[in-house]
Amino acid sequence: QVQLVQSEAQVKKPGASVKVSCKASGYRFTNHGINWVRQAPGQGLEWMGWISPYNGHTNYAQNLQARVTMTTDTSTSTAYMEVRSLRSDDTAVYYCARPQQYCSGGTCYYYMDVWGEGTTVTVSS
Amino acid sequence: EIVLTQSPGTLSLSPGERATLSCRASQSVSSSYLAWYQQKPGQAPRLLIYGASSRATGIPDRFSGSGSGTDFTLTISRLEPEDFAVYFCQQYGSSPLYTFGQGTKLEIK
Repeated sequence: QVQLVQSEAQVKKPGASVKVSCKASGYRFTNHGINWVRQAPGQGLEWMGWISPYNGHTNYAQNLQARVTMTTDTSTSTAYMEVRSLRSDDTAVYYCARPQQYCSGGTCYYYMDVWGEGTTVTVSS
Repeated sequence: EIVLTQSPGTLSLSPGERATLSCRASQSVSSSYLAWYQQKPGQAPRLLIYGASSRATGIPDRFSGSGSGTDFTLTISRLEPEDFAVYFCQQYGSSPLYTFGQGTKLEIK
């Protein structure tokens, strides 16, 4: 079955970097992008960015563009998301999610149909 | 940037009752770009509805979505105990690529 499995929780100090992985299985990795979404404690969902494993193209949220890098390794069907210069407000659960584009009868639908289980990143001195 | 505003923030109902959740967009959104997700504590979000009204695979028919333009609704016809959770609407756009509403918490009365 289609699955996204993420790396374990991490604790980092302010100013450090964190790299989270997301391993895909059950589908052709290069046929779909990967979104990254985060959720601060008790808060809503924030889209961070998207990467295409097919050609490496990225699209980052403007507020994170300077500190985030998304990459993929097609040989292992794994996506990575790195945040640099961590701050306390980067404490969150980070999710990877597969975007789905489904077109029928001239209409195209966009949504995220499969999600990883989430990786907790805690930033604390 | 399109802002999605969900109401109410919290909805208190009993099992068996009907739930109506609202998602209002700051600008018109294509219906095919509007989705709803359910999130339970400690779990990842789960896709419920895409294209404003199409149920995702395996979603019970007590869940339905409707709306167009700037006003969208998620309706749960008869609440089951497992339906008490947080619900988010989401739209696909240009910049940023995706935005989410702030969520509606559906709690047991």
